[in-house]
Amino acid sequence: AQSVTQLDSHVSVSEGTPVLLRCNYSSSYSPSLFWYVQHPNKGLQLLLKYTSAATLVKGINGFEAEFKKSETSFHLTKPSAHMSDAAEYFCVVSDGAGSYQLTFGKGTKLSVIP
Amino acid sequence: DTGVSQDPRHKITKRGQNVTFRCDPISEHNRLYWYRQTLGQGPEFLTYFQNEAQLEKSRLLSDRFSAERPKGSFSTLEIQRTEQGDSAMYLCASSLAGVRETQYFGPGTRLLVL
Repeated sequence: AQSVTQLDSHVSVSEGTPVLLRCNYSSSYSPSLFWYVQHPNKGLQLLLKYTSAATLVKGINGFEAEFKKSETSFHLTKPSAHMSDAAEYFCVVSDGAGSYQLTFGKGTKLSVIP
Repeated sequence: DTGVSQDPRHKITKRGQNVTFRCDPISEHNRLYWYRQTLGQGPEFLTYFQNEAQLEKSRLLSDRFSAERPKGSFSTLEIQRTEQGDSAMYLCASSLAGVRETQYFGPGTRLLVL
């Protein structure tokens, strides 16, 4: 069975300061891990994806995430927040063990203060 | 635009009515997924197709729900005898089959059952 825990339901940062959104996962196999972003009234957009290659994954819009197997974590970071980053972020796992369904965390709402 | 499209984007219906949603995947994608997202939660898997075959269904998919993908192209999701608890965003995603695949999401259909 696979599961995802997003440790913060809401994160607020000032524009220009670093962003850290925390995610822990549980998977019986070698998982694929994703971060998706959802802006209000928009669809889910893929930010980045880990698939067992490099543990540090770079995504779009300056975001990156590091896969740490020993900590079962996949935290999302960005060095400098922009107003346009304000959105809901979902950490997602797929263990691909005969099932390709994605399991989503509950989401972290990121607010960016001007 | 060559992304996943969904129709309608919004649907308001009265309890007990039937509703049908349509999803058009990215043209070369052979897998198609349906998810449901309720307010304040991450999306939850409902069902998926590989080509025209429905390969997996969640326990969330009650017998009032039926999905089809004739000819392996577009898909429809029908809800019969809608209930207020069916109010949610219904998301469609598509992918090219593979162990480490990426799912691309449509904008969703927001259903409100009065």
